[in-house]
Amino acid sequence: DGGITQSPKYLFRKEGQNVTLSCEQNLNHDAMYWYRQDPGQGLRLIYYSQIVNDFQKGDIAEGYSVSREKKESFPLTVTSAQKNPTAFYLCASSIMARTGELFFGEGSRLTVL
Amino acid sequence: AQKITQTQPGMFVQEKEAVTLDCTYDTSDPSYGLFWYKQPSSGEMIFLIYQGSYDQQNATEGRYSLNFQKARKSANLVISASQLGDSAMYFCAMREGDAGGTSYGKLTFGQGTILTVHP
Repeated sequence: DGGITQSPKYLFRKEGQNVTLSCEQNLNHDAMYWYRQDPGQGLRLIYYSQIVNDFQKGDIAEGYSVSREKKESFPLTVTSAQKNPTAFYLCASSIMARTGELFFGEGSRLTVL
Repeated sequence: AQKITQTQPGMFVQEKEAVTLDCTYDTSDPSYGLFWYKQPSSGEMIFLIYQGSYDQQNATEGRYSLNFQKARKSANLVISASQLGDSAMYFCAMREGDAGGTSYGKLTFGQGTILTVHP
C-alpha cells in the first residue's frame, strides 16, 4: 500500500545531541513537509520541499535542518540548537491538484531528557 | 494575528446526533483553500474535506459537510449522525495563494477542537 513511513515512532535523546527523523513516501508526490505539534496545539510548519534538492524554511525552522536528495525521502535533523525539541513531529506529502491535501505519516514522538 | 481560529477547545455530542465545529479564518488573499483534518489518539492526521474560496457550493463528503460563509470568513465542519469513532481532535487549516487550486502550499492550522462522542 502507498503511504508515508516515519521512523522511529518514539525517540529519546539527551540534551545537546542531534537526532534525525526519517520520512519516506511511495506515493510519488513531489512536495514534502515537516510539521511540529506540541501538546494541545495545532501544527506548525518547520520545512517544506517542492522538488528534489530544494527546500524552504517554514515558520519555525530555527534549530532544524533537512535534505531532499531523493523524491521519496525527506529526513529532518533536530539539532542541539533547537531550544525546546521535545514534541510530536509529523511528515506529510502532497501533489499539485485542486485539493492538494496533505497526506501524513503516523508521526515521531521525540523526548529530550 | 491568528490566521485560523477554533474557539471551541472541547465539544461533546451524543451518538447519532449532529455536531458543528467552528472555524474562522483571516486572509487578504482572494484565492485560498480550507481543510479539515481529524487526528485520533494514534496521532495520524486524516484529511476529511476541502473547500476552495471560489467554490459556489458547500463541500460535502459522506457525513461531513463544510458550512462555508465567505463574508463571515467562517468554515464550520458539520458532522452528521455522530459515531463513537468520531471522537478525536479536529483541525481546521488554510492554504493561501490557491490560484484556482493548482498549487502546492503549506497549510496553516488552528489549535484544534477535541470532540467526544457519548454513547
